[in-house]
Amino acid sequence: EAQVTQNPRYLITVTGKKLTVTCSQNMNHEYMSWYRQDPGLGLRQIYYSMNVEVTDKGDVPEGYKVSRKEKRNFPLILESPSPNQTSLYFCASRSGGNLNEQFFGPGTRLTVL
Amino acid sequence: GENVEQHPSTLSVQEGDSAVIKCTYSDSASNYFPWYKQELGKRPQLIIDIRSNVGEKKDQRIAVTLNKTAKHFSLHITETQPEDSAVYFCASVGPGYSTLTFGKGTMLLVSP
Repeated sequence: EAQVTQNPRYLITVTGKKLTVTCSQNMNHEYMSWYRQDPGLGLRQIYYSMNVEVTDKGDVPEGYKVSRKEKRNFPLILESPSPNQTSLYFCASRSGGNLNEQFFGPGTRLTVL
Repeated sequence: GENVEQHPSTLSVQEGDSAVIKCTYSDSASNYFPWYKQELGKRPQLIIDIRSNVGEKKDQRIAVTLNKTAKHFSLHITETQPEDSAVYFCASVGPGYSTLTFGKGTMLLVSP
């Protein structure tokens, strides 16, 4: 089944404890993105990647890192999480060309205490 | 960069009524406009999209219209049903595709 997966789905952590949220897609998509969703603010892009070893900042990249060593994986790293990073995170992917549908993962609800 | 404004933020209708959600965008080079539906606790899913060379597209009870001159596009849902209740997001994509920019969302509530 074609899909985008994320892990973990839920995470409660404490300020300053490094964490990684994994994202994987099995559709051989070139483009992958990370978004955060906050009430009243919609979906805001954190980082995106147009292919392996090619990443760039989105609208709200502060406090986050990403890597794209393999085409299928695009992990989101929070080196020192803070409470303002408490949010719902979505990974997404799509194939090349800007007119193609973007598929979202199931989401990761992160709480930073 | 691109800016997408979406209105209204909440919309309540009675079952069977029509619902209209409107979005405006700022980048005249944008050429692809998808709409996503997000049910409570779930991921956003594409429900309809329109490309800049088309003025209107319809899929059963859902239609989208695009006015490139005015830089706005709208989602129309006819004969609404309770299962249409969700948050709807519009989005805009430019020709270089680096960013899919979303509106802030509209919470649609359809009452039986």
